[in-house]
Amino acid sequence: ETGVTQTPRHLVMGMTNKKSLKCEQHLGHNAMYWYKQSAKKPLELMFVYSLEERVENNSVPSRFSPECPNSSHLFLHLHTLQPEDSALYLCASSQGASGENPYQETQYFGPGTRLLVL
Amino acid sequence: AQSVAQPEDQVNVAEGNPLTVKCTYSVSGNPYLFWYVQYPNRGLQFLLKYITGDNLVKGSYGFEAEFNKSQTSFHLKKPSALVSDSALYFCAGRAGGYQKVTFGIGTKLQVIP
Repeated sequence: ETGVTQTPRHLVMGMTNKKSLKCEQHLGHNAMYWYKQSAKKPLELMFVYSLEERVENNSVPSRFSPECPNSSHLFLHLHTLQPEDSALYLCASSQGASGENPYQETQYFGPGTRLLVL
Repeated sequence: AQSVAQPEDQVNVAEGNPLTVKCTYSVSGNPYLFWYVQYPNRGLQFLLKYITGDNLVKGSYGFEAEFNKSQTSFHLKKPSALVSDSALYFCAGRAGGYQKVTFGIGTKLQVIP
C-alpha cells in the first residue's frame, strides 16, 4: 500500500446524481492531486492543491468541484456528469516544502475510484 | 510544451528474457523523468526517477532506466523478466521550474511464461 486511500473504489451514478469521491493520505505530504485516467489516453491532471490551496485547475468542467479541507484530505464533488466522464479517478500526494514546486517530489497514488456514469 | 511519448502500446517478452519499455521526452532544460507501474485495479506505483547525476538509475523490483540526453530517451529495462512484472508502465517527465508532470499514454507489458 502507498499510504493513499480512496473511497469508494467503484461508483455508478446517473447524470442527475450528486456524489463525492474521497481521498486521504497518511504520508504527511502537503500537496494532493486529482487525475483522470481513461483508456488509451495519458493521465489527465485535473487539480492540484499545495498547502491546501488550489494551484492548478486544468480547464476542468465545473461539474467537477474539488475540496481540500486539510492537507490529509481531498474530495472531488460530482454533479450532473456526462457518460464521457466515466473513467478511473486517481488521487495522489507528494511532499514539497512551502514555496517550492509541488510537482518536484515523487507522487504517491491511491488505488483509484472507477466511475461509471449512466 | 513538454511531452512524453511511449511508442509501444504493448510489449511481449518471454519470462527470463531481458525487457525494455521505451520512452522519449521533449522538455526544455534539464528534465526530471519518472517511471511508474500500474497493476490491475490499482493506482500507479513509483518505480524510479532521474533528477541529475548518473545516467543509469536503479529502482524498485530490479528495474533500471537509462537517461540518454542525445536521444532524449529514458527507456526502462530489466535483465530478466518475471510473469509478475506484467502490468501497465507509465513514463512521466517535467522540466525545471513550476511545471506539472506530463505522463505518457502507458505501455502494457506482458511477460509470457
